[in-house]
Amino acid sequence: QQQVKQSPQSLIVQKGGISIINCAYENTAFDYFPWYQQFPGKGPALLIAIRPDVSEKKEGRFTISFNKSAKQFSLHIMDSQPGDSATYFCAASMSGDYKLSFGAGTTVTVRA
Amino acid sequence: KAGVTQTPRYLIKTRGQQVTLSCSPISGHRSVSWYQQTPGQGLQFLFEYFSETQRNKGNFPGRFSGRQFSNSRSEMNVSTLELGDSALYLCASSLGPSGRAGDTQYFGPGTRLTVL
Repeated sequence: QQQVKQSPQSLIVQKGGISIINCAYENTAFDYFPWYQQFPGKGPALLIAIRPDVSEKKEGRFTISFNKSAKQFSLHIMDSQPGDSATYFCAASMSGDYKLSFGAGTTVTVRA
Repeated sequence: KAGVTQTPRYLIKTRGQQVTLSCSPISGHRSVSWYQQTPGQGLQFLFEYFSETQRNKGNFPGRFSGRQFSNSRSEMNVSTLELGDSALYLCASSLGPSGRAGDTQYFGPGTRLTVL
């Protein structure tokens, strides 16, 4: 049973465009929501993370929007670049659980 | 600072065999987690160790086991391999003393296991 649902499965965006990936969760005990980026042949790498007491967090071209009441959060990649082509995973965890629950992943392709 | 290292990077085994994978965490990190990544199931949590103690275990059969040594290095073992065990096995390390969510996990490159 997937605790974090992620969509879309894949998306294609033109260089300079905006990529948007959405995630939803059910467990209200989750209190940490990271996004990971994974390139082929590599392990996932932390991109950006948010806690539920904040509605938005921005780091460079990457922004997380968080809606606690809807139990949803999303990643926006602004001014998408070909180097952003990768698989993105949302995740959630709760204190004392010592694990990450991952979404299914979204493969982003940025066309030059 | 060196990242998380995993050995071997690639393994080919046959059904019924057993396999041991190794993970060396980032220096100073005491928590090590293991995840299985497959195209069908995505990233699934296997177990987490801190100071040689298993603090959490995912929903995998008992054929999957792990341990952590006093230097924080960790191994996972899969016995009686099945075709469905073919996957990328990822190790992640974090500082880990409090267990508070938000302790960043740093992933290694993984071990690609193929079961024939």
